[in-house]
Amino acid sequence: GQNIDQPTEMTATEGAIVQINCTYQTSGFNGLFWYQQHAGEAPTFLSYNVLDGLEEKGRFSSFLSRSKGYSYLLLKELQMKDSASYLCAVTPLMGGATNKLIFGTGTLLAVQP
Amino acid sequence: EADIYQTPRYLVIGTGKKITLECSQTMGHDKMYWYQQDPGMELHLIHYSYGVNSTEKGDLSSESTVSRIRTEHFPLTLESARPSHTSQYLCASSGQTEGTGANVLTFGAGSRLTVL
Repeated sequence: GQNIDQPTEMTATEGAIVQINCTYQTSGFNGLFWYQQHAGEAPTFLSYNVLDGLEEKGRFSSFLSRSKGYSYLLLKELQMKDSASYLCAVTPLMGGATNKLIFGTGTLLAVQP
Repeated sequence: EADIYQTPRYLVIGTGKKITLECSQTMGHDKMYWYQQDPGMELHLIHYSYGVNSTEKGDLSSESTVSRIRTEHFPLTLESARPSHTSQYLCASSGQTEGTGANVLTFGAGSRLTVL
């Protein structure tokens, strides 16, 4: 079966660094996405990893290890507006349907002053 | 500005009514999707389409139906709404981003349906 695990909730302090982990078990692998979702709003794209290593984009970085089925999202210099749910999603290999994403339940991050 | 639009944003309706959730995108994407999301739960794919006249059921069984007569339009219909259909429905479309080549989903704002 397909399974994606993330912590349910995390709390961090403004200005600090936080790492949100994601582990996955899927039938094949064709890329991992991180999305940010503020309460009551649509998810928005943050990052994409398909090869092992770190992808950096401003204050956000995402890491992937395919052999371990593991990824993390690193948020630096936290701001209050970073309080949101962070969704890990994987594209498994399923014949031609390689665009069907499987989502984790999301990690609700609360940034405190 | 290229975007994806969903209407209505909020709908409260009685049991047995027929409802249609509208979704339109102006990005020229071939691929479109409907996800269902309950509070605190993961998004579940209920329908997808790879182009005009192409529709497939997703991983989560749903009593809703979809149609794709035009590239930009992907409406979802419930013939007879029930309280178990109460949920948030998110429409998305996807296209390749420059640089990464990843097929990134762009989501609409969602339609929150409450069936009494």
